[in-house]
Amino acid sequence: NAGVTQTPKFRVLKTGQSMTLLCAQDMNHEYMYWYRQDPGMGLRLIHYSVGEGTTAKGEVPDGYNVSRLKKQNFLLGLESAAPSQTSVYFCASSPILYEQYFGPGTRLTVT
Amino acid sequence: AQSVTQLDSQVPVFEEAPVELRCNYSSSVSVYLFWYVQYPNQGLQLLLKYLSGSTLVKGINGFEAEFNKSQTSFHLRKPSVHISDTAEYFCAVSAMTTDSWGKLQFGAGTQVVVTP
Repeated sequence: NAGVTQTPKFRVLKTGQSMTLLCAQDMNHEYMYWYRQDPGMGLRLIHYSVGEGTTAKGEVPDGYNVSRLKKQNFLLGLESAAPSQTSVYFCASSPILYEQYFGPGTRLTVT
Repeated sequence: AQSVTQLDSQVPVFEEAPVELRCNYSSSVSVYLFWYVQYPNQGLQLLLKYLSGSTLVKGINGFEAEFNKSQTSFHLRKPSVHISDTAEYFCAVSAMTTDSWGKLQFGAGTQVVVTP
């Protein structure tokens, strides 16, 4: 039982490049979330999903897209990376509405 | 909408001393309350949560927190810290409404540094 895994762990992009971050969970959780963590700002919600095939915007969705084609996977895409998207990205999943399990994070640098 | 304020960005503490991390929140609806811990270069781990019932909540690793509705606070305490408690601690809230979908609003975090 791996819990929540994130791929890749580290990535460096140039401005304008695109990439996809993968989040996978093996706990059969319905709800999944993408957050970004920046110094002094805590974690902020980018997008979330309440089930397979559904997604919704969070607090800071601009510049990101998501998809949840399979229940166990939640993908976060950056179509045209900007330096402001340099951050640590965390995925979380939840079986119910009040406990989230977090992945180890992806550290992204955009130059 | 909800907001969370962690009143201390950094708390230095000596080993075996007590520690208190302060968290205040604002919300127009009732909320669930959480404390998460993040060890260096790791994801977040749930320490404890308040959903309902007793206002004193006990969590893992000897931590406890008290919910004070009148002061809209949820302060975290540990009577005696260890070096291994060095980490960043996040307070978070989730609206107690069906359309919140468990979304968490986090505070900015409190870095706890335990020294011998």
